[in-house]
Amino acid sequence: DAGVIQSPRHEVTEMGQEVTLRCKPISGHNSLFWYRQTMMRGLELLIYFNNNVPIDDSGMPEDRFSAKMPNASFSTLKIQPSEPRDSAVYFCASSFQNGGAYFGPGTRLTVT
Amino acid sequence: RKEVEQDPGPFNVPEGATVAFNCTYSNSASQSFFWYRQDCRKEPKLLMSVYSSGNEDGRFTAQLNRASQYISLLIRDSKLSDSATYLCVVIAGGATNKLIFGTGTLLAVQP
Repeated sequence: DAGVIQSPRHEVTEMGQEVTLRCKPISGHNSLFWYRQTMMRGLELLIYFNNNVPIDDSGMPEDRFSAKMPNASFSTLKIQPSEPRDSAVYFCASSFQNGGAYFGPGTRLTVT
Repeated sequence: RKEVEQDPGPFNVPEGATVAFNCTYSNSASQSFFWYRQDCRKEPKLLMSVYSSGNEDGRFTAQLNRASQYISLLIRDSKLSDSATYLCVVIAGGATNKLIFGTGTLLAVQP
């Protein structure tokens, strides 16, 4: 198995632009998580899905952030419009039932 | 009070030393527990699950104390390659399988 796949690996964009991050979870996993990591705030859960349904989005910072999971093998996290304070590493992870989650390599986002 | 708390460290230990990390959690209904390892500029990686009976994987031993609501990780005969941040993870109780991460403990093994 290729593990969790994320794209792009790096993204540099200007403030105000739309950013879309993509994730392909491990086949057969039924939960998908989006995390954000910064030095100041550590690893924060933004949103997670169970069987493609959003269960908890209380960690989504504000309306500029949205996430979708149209099917079991694909999810997106969109930021529109982006701001410099959104600069962080965004991780996608997937798990099966109550097992541990496996993380993708992350997307390093820089908003100038 | 944070849901999962860890001593941030850093723990500076010489090669060959034994080092232990503790982590406390606030939700007594929590069901599953894990330790993750994260290297600099890399993603967190699952190190091991933690069971009530305790479990061992080579030089690593994890234990759970439900009464006191803490989990521990013991590393014996530490190697330079063990240097990393170790994250405690708890799955919240109830119908959710939400993974809650501690802030991590930094370990630096010195030659």
